[in-house]
Amino acid sequence: ETGVTQTPRHLVMGMTNKKSLKCEQHLGHNAMYWYKQSAKKPLELMFVYSLEERVENNSVPSRFSPECPNSSHLFLHLHTLQPEDSALYLCASSQERRSETQYFGPGTRLLVL
Amino acid sequence: GQQLNQSPQSMFIQEGEDVSMNCTSSSIFNTWLWYKQDPGEGPVLLIALYKAGELTSNGRLTAQFGITRKDSFLNISASIPSDVGIYFCAGSERGSQGNLIFGKGTKLSVKP
Repeated sequence: ETGVTQTPRHLVMGMTNKKSLKCEQHLGHNAMYWYKQSAKKPLELMFVYSLEERVENNSVPSRFSPECPNSSHLFLHLHTLQPEDSALYLCASSQERRSETQYFGPGTRLLVL
Repeated sequence: GQQLNQSPQSMFIQEGEDVSMNCTSSSIFNTWLWYKQDPGEGPVLLIALYKAGELTSNGRLTAQFGITRKDSFLNISASIPSDVGIYFCAGSERGSQGNLIFGKGTKLSVKP
């Protein structure tokens, strides 16, 4: 079972589309994260939110736009993506920003055509 | 930036065998974590280690935080088919904001 849910689980989009990924955590955590997982590469941290404020943007292109309306929800808005953006996008949460133990959602498998 | 060296990249073993994998870093880490990821799913936390020398078990899994604070290993005893998956190490450097650095993973295949 997981305390972090993500929707949709799979997404196919064209380069001109706009879509959003949603993450919800039911663990009462204060920090949430977006990661990108590509084949044969380590997980790449994209964004970090702590108490609903963005505290880190890891040089991510502006075609990815995160939103954290409250401590339980995190969105990743996508627009004008490129085929190389196809990957598994993982959301995670932790008790606090400095708490290293992170719990992951199941991910959204994104394919950009 | 900092990278973790995780080995081996892949393992093909017979059911019932023991498995060992490890991670090394070039800098001192405060935390070592081990995750397992099944196809199409997110990583699931297996074991978390917070102190140098710490040895922690979770069922058939045992992990240790290296005494130098620059390495960690994960052992799986008496492997079973459901152990199949990709195992990731992750850690946070001393003085970091808690950001995790991940290894590239060890892909485990178990032959019944």
